[in-house]
Amino acid sequence: NAGVTQTPKFQVLKTGQSMTLQCAQDMNHNSMYWYRQDPGMGLRLIYYSASEGTTDKGEVPNGYNVSRLNKREFSLRLESAAPSQTSVYFCASTVSYYNEQFFGPGTRLTVL
Amino acid sequence: AQSVSQHNHHVILSEAASLELGCNYSYGGTVNLFWYVQYPGQHLQLLLKYFSGDPLVKGIKGFEAEFIKSKFSFNLRKPSVQWSDTAEYFCAVPTSGTYKYIFGTGTRLKVLA
Repeated sequence: NAGVTQTPKFQVLKTGQSMTLQCAQDMNHNSMYWYRQDPGMGLRLIYYSASEGTTDKGEVPNGYNVSRLNKREFSLRLESAAPSQTSVYFCASTVSYYNEQFFGPGTRLTVL
Repeated sequence: AQSVSQHNHHVILSEAASLELGCNYSYGGTVNLFWYVQYPGQHLQLLLKYFSGDPLVKGIKGFEAEFIKSKFSFNLRKPSVQWSDTAEYFCAVPTSGTYKYIFGTGTRLKVLA
């Protein structure tokens, strides 16, 4: 099993460009999450999907959109990137909300 | 609203020293509690978890944590740290009634060889 995979690993964007971060899990998990990690701020939840067909906002959703394409895949889109979105983005999944989360390797995004 | 507090933001220890990292949560009901570790340049991995039963939980690499309900605490401990324990440690708790987790702000541990 690959677990949780994310693409790309690194990305540099110019302000105003758009991009989609991809996430997939092969553990048949129901819930999936997108976090951003910034120095000194821990992990902040951007969006999550409790189950296939549902998505909800987290703590910092502004400037992002998500799609739960199917049970395996959960993508994060930046429509018009801003320097404040420079961060490391992690996708995670869990079989149920009270269980441990499994994290992907992360995407390091720089917006110039 | 539920919250998780990690009091130590940066900890520096010498090898073989004992470690205790604090974690306090605000929710008073049934809780599941987690500690995750993030080694430099890597993603978060589960260190240990508490669901119920014995409040002293043992995890990987010699780590353990004690759930003290009366103090709303779930402190992480290791009797003797190694240089390879250099990492960032996060306490986390799922929020009641939602599918969201709350993570603490993390504690950066540096172990000097």
